[in-house]
Amino acid sequence: EAQVTQNPRYLITVTGKKLTVTCSQNMNHEYMSWYRQDPGLGLRQIYYSMNVEVTDKGDVPEGYKVSRKEKRNFPLILESPSPNQTSLYFCASRRFIDVMSDTQYFGPGTRLTVL
Amino acid sequence: AQTVTQSQPEMSVQEAETVTLSCTYDTSESNYYLFWYKQPPSRQMILVIRQEAYKQQNATENRFSVNFQKAAKSFSLKISDSQLGDTAMYFCAFMKHERYNAGNMLTFGGGTRLMVKP
Repeated sequence: EAQVTQNPRYLITVTGKKLTVTCSQNMNHEYMSWYRQDPGLGLRQIYYSMNVEVTDKGDVPEGYKVSRKEKRNFPLILESPSPNQTSLYFCASRRFIDVMSDTQYFGPGTRLTVL
Repeated sequence: AQTVTQSQPEMSVQEAETVTLSCTYDTSESNYYLFWYKQPPSRQMILVIRQEAYKQQNATENRFSVNFQKAAKSFSLKISDSQLGDTAMYFCAFMKHERYNAGNMLTFGGGTRLMVKP
């Protein structure tokens, strides 16, 4: 089954404690991205990656890091989380070639609370 | 930069009736794509329908159809014969088209929460 998985699904942490949210896809997609969802703001892109070792900033990259060492994985790293990073996070992937013929697949979401 | 606006934070509709969700956007691009995504309580994001801006014909997918007005920069979603399973948050999204740059991101509206009542 084609899918994007994220772990953990729920996380409560404290300010300053480094954390990583993992994302993995089994569709051999080149393109992967991270979004955060906040009430009234919809989803905003944090970072994206067009292939292994190729990453770039989205709309709201401050306070986040990513890496793409393998095609299937795209972890999101919060080096020093702050309460304003409390949000619902989505990982997504699609094929690189054609933005319209290929659906963007979203993961199930990770609810992060930073105290 | 593009912006997407959904002016209806919440809507409700009776089962089997028709409902229209509105979406407007602002862009200087001439070639782009528009999408509607559904987010049920499971929080998964599910693509409902998509439209290429260069196509005048409105997209349809079963009970879902859009009214795309390019000049007015409007992209509304019509759900016919509403079902209880349509209860969800709906997001309108914009993506500009750049043929040789697939790193295009989706710009989302704030969402409309739709409740289908039995």
